[in-house]
Amino acid sequence: DTEVTQTPKHLVMGMTNKKSLKCEQHMGHRAMYWYKQKAKKPPELMFVYSYEKLSINESVPSRFSPECPNSSLLNLHLHALQPEDSALYLCASSQDLGDNTEAFFGQGTRLTVV
Amino acid sequence: EDQVTQSPEALRLQEGESSSLNCSYTVSGLRGLFWYRQDPGKGPEFLFTLYSAGEEKEKERLKATLTKKESFLHITAPKPEDSATYLCAVRHRGSTLGRLYFGRGTQLTVWP
Repeated sequence: DTEVTQTPKHLVMGMTNKKSLKCEQHMGHRAMYWYKQKAKKPPELMFVYSYEKLSINESVPSRFSPECPNSSLLNLHLHALQPEDSALYLCASSQDLGDNTEAFFGQGTRLTVV
Repeated sequence: EDQVTQSPEALRLQEGESSSLNCSYTVSGLRGLFWYRQDPGKGPEFLFTLYSAGEEKEKERLKATLTKKESFLHITAPKPEDSATYLCAVRHRGSTLGRLYFGRGTQLTVWP
């Protein structure tokens, strides 16, 4: 089973709303990631969690707030977003942060900020 | 400067017409090269990992190869369902832990 599940699949939110994206994996992976992907562009790394601790924050604005409640779950809390934040948000997981581990992606949440 | 360059940007093939996609990289100390397939509006689907020059991996109509400077994804007798964007990503000696560096992808269209 190489499944990473993301909810919701689609989300439309206003600039004053607060919402959360959720990600779950049951592969026993200890590293989880958030990526952002704009249309016709490659995924861009936002955050990396390893053993439920934040390892990397790629200078992401504070209106994006990640949370890792346990080893299977990763959330991304959204507040006061801008229209330019509209994108496909991808969660991924890997066994750990080793070089020889593959990252498996979820199907993404298509976010539209209005 | 892009560390991973994919070509062509777009490729149209007739069903059954074999071809290759290219991924060249300028990083030193390659730690792994990864191929993904991405359908529109979906997350990338893992295909292959290659670690050392000369390595080859196959899956159905796809075959990935690796040299010291580039990787090829060969598609033999493609079908319309192979239409997707194919992404290449690398990890290298200077990578921040866990980080993948993606190319911009090749958008493949296979028509009947």
